[in-house]
Amino acid sequence: QVQLVQSGAEVKKPGASVKVSCKASGYTFIDYDINWVRQATGQGLEWMGWVSPNSGATDYAQKFQGRVTMTRDTPLRTAYMELSGLRSEDTAVYYCAIQTGYNSAYFVKWGQGTLVTVSS
Amino acid sequence: DIVMTQSPDSLAVSLGERATINCRSSQSVLYSSTNKNYLAWYQQKPGQPPKLLIYWASTRDSGVPDRFSGSGSGTDFTLTISSLQTEDVAVYYCQQYYATPFTFGPGTKVDVK
Repeated sequence: QVQLVQSGAEVKKPGASVKVSCKASGYTFIDYDINWVRQATGQGLEWMGWVSPNSGATDYAQKFQGRVTMTRDTPLRTAYMELSGLRSEDTAVYYCAIQTGYNSAYFVKWGQGTLVTVSS
Repeated sequence: DIVMTQSPDSLAVSLGERATINCRSSQSVLYSSTNKNYLAWYQQKPGQPPKLLIYWASTRDSGVPDRFSGSGSGTDFTLTISSLQTEDVAVYYCQQYYATPFTFGPGTKVDVK
């Protein structure tokens, strides 16, 4: 079955960077774009961007432009989201999620989430 | 950016009764060339990732009970739970995927009265 398994929780200091991984299984990795969505504690969902496992193309939300980098390692079937210049407001659970069609970005499967805590 | 709003913020419904959640987008999410509404609904329980319930505004995802239904078009949408069960206690989010940045509503918390 389709699974997305994310890396473990991270604690970072302000100004540092964090890199979260998302390992996919149960489907052809290059077929589905991977999106990243974050959720601050007790808050709503915020889309950050997507990466195409096939081409490596990306599209980032303007809010994160210049601070976020989304990549993939196709042989490892893993996508990565790196966020730099961390501040306390970046404390959140970060999810990867797949969309199964081009131009149809509803998210059919989500990773379990990775808690990133930014604290001095 | 397309702003999504939801109402109510929370609601409590008796078991077996109907729950209705509304979602509104700041601009139409109906794409004329496909005649589809680019609107999805998710359910999120505490400590879990969101789960897709509905896409294209009214298509249930595989395995989703038929007590969940979606309706609406353009800018106004509704998620209905026809007969609330205890396992339906959760927060529900709508999401537009008409244009990036994809955006979510603030969520509606559903509880048992």
